[in-house]
Amino acid sequence: QQQVKQSPQSLIVQKGGISIINCAYENTAFDYFPWYQQFPGKGPALLIAIRPDVSEKKEGRFTISFNKSAKQFSLHIMDSQPGDSATYFCAASISGGYQKVTFGIGTKLQVIP
Amino acid sequence: DTAVSQTPKYLVTQMGNDKSIKCEQNLGHDTMYWYKQDSKKFLKIMFSYNNKELIINETVPNRFSPKSPDKAHLNLHINSLELGDSAVYFCASSLPGASEQYFGPGTRLTVT
Repeated sequence: QQQVKQSPQSLIVQKGGISIINCAYENTAFDYFPWYQQFPGKGPALLIAIRPDVSEKKEGRFTISFNKSAKQFSLHIMDSQPGDSATYFCAASISGGYQKVTFGIGTKLQVIP
Repeated sequence: DTAVSQTPKYLVTQMGNDKSIKCEQNLGHDTMYWYKQDSKKFLKIMFSYNNKELIINETVPNRFSPKSPDKAHLNLHINSLELGDSAVYFCASSLPGASEQYFGPGTRLTVT
């Protein structure tokens, strides 16, 4: 059972454009929603994360929008650059204890010049 | 200094063989994980250890046996390798109960 659904699986964006990746979750107990960025041949690295007490979090060109009632969250990459080309994973987990992190299937982003 | 390191980076072996992957973290974390990433990039947790104790074991065949000699190391031993074991295996670590995980560079296992 896929508890975190991510779309699209691949995305091509022109340089300078906005990249948008969407995720939806089912488990209302999730209270931590990170996004990981993975470059080819590397391990995933935490990019940005949000908790459900806020509806938006921005770090530089990266913004997470969170809709608790719809159980959806999304990553927006403003002014997308070729260096942003990577695979992006949304994830969800429950804080505390030893809860596992559930990952989405990943979105391969390609930013073309 | 590498925070989470894995050896080897590449591993090519034949079906039926036994192999091990080693992981070390120098972040002082108590919790370590093994993930399998298949050819479609899907990340699936296999095991989690906290301070040398197994806390998550996700329906992984018992040919896979993790071992944690101390809280900074988590090794993965795989017996009787099968073609379907070909994947990239990632080690990760975190503080106990924390969701932010730090991943190693991965070990690409190819079973022929």
